[in-house]
Amino acid sequence: DAGVTQSPTHLIKTRGQQVTLRCSPKSGHDTVSWYQQALGQGPQFIFQYYEEEERQRGNFPDRFSGHQFPNYSSELNVNALLLGDSALYLCASRYRVSPRGAFFGQGTRLTVV
Amino acid sequence: GENVEQHPSTLSVQEGDSAVIKCTYSDSASNYFPWYKQELGKRPQLIIDIRSNVGEKKDQRIAVTLNKTAKHFSLHITETQPEDSAVYFCAATNNDMRFGAGTRLTVKP
Repeated sequence: DAGVTQSPTHLIKTRGQQVTLRCSPKSGHDTVSWYQQALGQGPQFIFQYYEEEERQRGNFPDRFSGHQFPNYSSELNVNALLLGDSALYLCASRYRVSPRGAFFGQGTRLTVV
Repeated sequence: GENVEQHPSTLSVQEGDSAVIKCTYSDSASNYFPWYKQELGKRPQLIIDIRSNVGEKKDQRIAVTLNKTAKHFSLHITETQPEDSAVYFCAATNNDMRFGAGTRLTVKP
């Protein structure tokens, strides 16, 4: 079992560009959530996908969008990048009806210059 | 939405002492409370969790308590070891997890 995998691990983008981050959930998991973790802070909830639909959304602008595919993998897209978007982006997966917490991927470190 | 507050932000203890981290939450519908440990440069790892119908749960040196009426929950680590040094996050869950800001625990040998 590969667990939750994310790609790429590191990324450098220029302000104004667009970026796509990818996540493959742990085997058996059907729900994927994305988090932004700035240095020294807790993960901030961006949104959650289940059955290929966005189910919940945190306090993030529309520049942040996502997608879930039939195989439960997910993408996070960020448009018009700002310097403040520099952070560790974490994907977490779980089985929707499971009482246990989610399992995290290793994250994608995004640097906007 | 849910708001989770976590205290203290930093905690330094001597090896063998106990450490306590406290969290409060705002959404009374939250029903599941996991705790994560994050070492430098690594992903958060689930270390213990508790559901809202349980008041206390223990796993070896780690225990969590929940007071649903007061909307607060705590992590207790006994007999701390240097390898317990990390950032600890609490979370409250109602369909999805909302995290506290974290506590940096340092265990001095």
